[in-house]
Amino acid sequence: DVVMTQTPPSLSVAIGQSVSISCKSSQSLVYSDGKTYLHWLLQSPGQSPKLLIYQVSNLGSGVPDRFSGTGSQKDFTLKISRVEAEDLGVYYCVQATHFIFTFGSGTKLEIK
Amino acid sequence: EIQLQESGPGLVKPSQSLSLTCSVTGYTITSGYDWSWIRKFPGNKMEWMGYISNSGSTNYNPSLKIRISITRDTSKNQFFLQLNSVTTEDTATYYCARGMGAYWGQGVMVTVSS
Repeated sequence: DVVMTQTPPSLSVAIGQSVSISCKSSQSLVYSDGKTYLHWLLQSPGQSPKLLIYQVSNLGSGVPDRFSGTGSQKDFTLKISRVEAEDLGVYYCVQATHFIFTFGSGTKLEIK
Repeated sequence: EIQLQESGPGLVKPSQSLSLTCSVTGYTITSGYDWSWIRKFPGNKMEWMGYISNSGSTNYNPSLKIRISITRDTSKNQFFLQLNSVTTEDTATYYCARGMGAYWGQGVMVTVSS
């Protein structure tokens, strides 16, 4: 199985700050079609997960452009610029390149 | 608007079977995409369990393979999860989703306990 190592496990940030979350995979996530199926999800308290970023850097529907994703091969980053209160929750990276699909362990974002 | 809704019992006894239904509205499950079951354990760990494709083929997480079955009823636009021989370690919130993330149900918490 592809192991997704996500760091840090938790973050506490003030409104308006910027933060980054790292996700490293044990194998390259480039699929045979040339695409990289690395996505980022946010699970806000009491809600189901929501797709933030798909295929490394594409914003999900309705996701503000304060969110951005970068990376390639095995090393990926989610950046949140100008954190807002609504951004609190648990962030996950997930890979859908290799069967079986696997998730990072999650990063809990708290607002100071 | 595409919506997914899980339903099923919230409490299952050890050694019994867990059966959940995902009802989909706003999109026909035979039109495209894979339709997944994903669970979140107490804490943050997420596990992809398996999916049924729009054509009806299935893929399962090998860790569950001898216990899991995903089926569908196309006439009702629903797909189903059955997990056999459950233990307390199967206590989790179960989600159905389209593919790996664009659309999720609200989740159903299932506790395995006698």
